[in-house]
Formats: sequence, structure tokens, C-alpha cells
Amino acid sequence: DTGVSQNPRHKITKRGQNVTFRCDPISEHNRLYWYRQTLGQGPEFLTYFQNEAQLEKSRLLSDRFSAERPKGSFSTLEIQRTEQGDSAMYLCASSTRQTDQPQHFGDGTRLSIL
Amino acid sequence: TQLLEQSPQFLSIQEGENLTVYCNSSSVFSSLQWYRQEPGEGPVLLVTVVTGGEVKKLKRLTFQFGDARKDSSLHITAAQPGDTGLYLCAGVLFSYDKLIFGTGTRLQVFP
Repeated sequence: DTGVSQNPRHKITKRGQNVTFRCDPISEHNRLYWYRQTLGQGPEFLTYFQNEAQLEKSRLLSDRFSAERPKGSFSTLEIQRTEQGDSAMYLCASSTRQTDQPQHFGDGTRLSIL
Repeated sequence: TQLLEQSPQFLSIQEGENLTVYCNSSSVFSSLQWYRQEPGEGPVLLVTVVTGGEVKKLKRLTFQFGDARKDSSLHITAAQPGDTGLYLCAGVLFSYDKLIFGTGTRLQVFP
């Protein structure tokens, strides 16, 4: 399977715990995006990388959130001191660098905070 | 403020009917993409439109990008139960790379 891969698919944790998600993009894609989707809504942009450089961060990304893409391949999204409001589907997408190239999404990690 | 508004929000129809979903904005987009999403899965790309006035067809689905690049529509002919899902439009503003998603249209097609 050469699509975008995310793991884990589901994560249930207690409030206050830290969680980390991983995304493996399509291999030839140098852009990687993170989005968050709550029930009944469209995805909202969080941040994106071009190779290993983080080029933009949304105001939705509080200081409890950090994303990395150390070698320009896979990326991790960490949430520290999780809160109830962090419960959502976290989606990763990748694309090539060319203008107007579509983003291809993984199946997401569903986070539930108890 | 929602940059991209989709209508209708919900649509429930019988197999064989036609339908149109609208995606509207006051902003101009360099491109617009349509996705379909099933429960528990990520959005799956259906089409990308980049030229004002562009029309693209994908079997029974017809996509149109408005002349002014501010709106788009998705028309489905003779809907089938397999078309059931959440339809999302998503635009890219000039000089930006992130997708701005619409509010979504949840379609249910009954046999």
C-alpha cells in the first residue's frame, strides 16, 4: 500500500496524559499536512511541512501541541497534557510541491479523552 | 466565520434521483478540490479544478468551478446507495498551501 499511513488508528487516554501520533506520507511527496476534524465538521488545518521545515502553524495549535518531521519523511504530532476538547480525528495528508497538486489523506487517528 | 459554505447540509434521497451540492465563498481560490469521506476513514479525493469555468466529469459525477473561482458545484446523476457519504469541498487560496474545507454535505441514498 503506497498511500498515507497513520498510526495508531484509535487512541483512548485519560485527561492530562501525553499522546503521540505518527504519519508516513506517500514516499515521493515532500509536503506533509496535519488537520483536525471534530464530529460533523470539515477538517481544520493545524500545520504543514515542506521536507523537514515547518512552514506554517495554525492558531488552533496551542503550545501543548508540537509537530516534527526530523528527516523529511515521517512526521509525529504530540499533544501534551491532553484536555477533553482535544478529542477529535487527527488527519495527515501529503502532496508534491507543485502548485495546485491535490492532498492525499490517511485514515486518521481518532483520539478520545476520558 | 466559515470561509466555504456548503449546501445543503444534509440530503436524503431515493436511488435514481439527481442531486446538486453547492460550495460558495466570497474569496477567490487558486484551486478547489472535492472529497468524499466515509465514517472512520480519511477524505478521498474525487477531483481537482483549477481553471475558472472548468467542468470535469467522473462517471455520474459532474464538477464545475465558477467563472470567478469563488464557487463550485457537484452534480450526481442517478444516485446510487454507494454514493452515500460526506462530501467536502476544499479550496486553496492564492499564495497559501493549506486546504480550507467547507462545512460538508452528508448524503444518504436509499435503495
